[in-house]
Amino acid sequence: DAEITQSPRHKITETGRQVTLACHQTWNHNNMFWYRQDLGHGLRLIHYSYGVQDTNKGEVSDGYSVSRSNTEDLPLTLESAASSQTSVYFCASRGTTDTQYFGPGTRLTVL
Amino acid sequence: DAKTTQPPSMDCAEGRAANLPCNHSTISGNEYVYWYRQIHSQGPQYIIHGLKNNETNEMASLIITEDRKSSTLILPHATLRDTAVYYCIVRTGNQFYFGTGTSLTVIP
Repeated sequence: DAEITQSPRHKITETGRQVTLACHQTWNHNNMFWYRQDLGHGLRLIHYSYGVQDTNKGEVSDGYSVSRSNTEDLPLTLESAASSQTSVYFCASRGTTDTQYFGPGTRLTVL
Repeated sequence: DAKTTQPPSMDCAEGRAANLPCNHSTISGNEYVYWYRQIHSQGPQYIIHGLKNNETNEMASLIITEDRKSSTLILPHATLRDTAVYYCIVRTGNQFYFGTGTSLTVIP
């Protein structure tokens, strides 16, 4: 069955380190999204992509970057991790229908 | 951008209908209303969506007022597994704007 996966599921890192969170989907969807979820804020959009080589900034993009070299993957990179980036990160994808499908999430702790 | 307002929490007795309200008074004519739910810390799960007409699927019904300024998600026979946070979302283009949702607790 087609699916969307994220790795790692849990990550602990130190302030200042570069971290990359992986997102992989097998639906061949063009549209992919990264969100972060913090208490009291719901889910907030970080970056999104409408296709290969396309990336766009979302509501809370500072300190994050993404790249889209193929349809299946949209890795999220924290260039220099900060404690404020401790959060749960969700990746999602959307095809030609109106529905976004979410991955299981990555819990990131920055010490 | 249209935003949504939901009550922070609700309770519902098992087997009864759960009616979750949402206000989206600034919604534009081409913006869809979506409902997702999130159980524990899992990824959000799609429930239903609509533009103008009421919608029903195997999970729930969505009632949208004629002026489109509010909607209600109905879970017809709530079970304990329906305990979750429910998000009412307005979609603008490809972007979803999540609020803080309603925490629904189904009581035995």
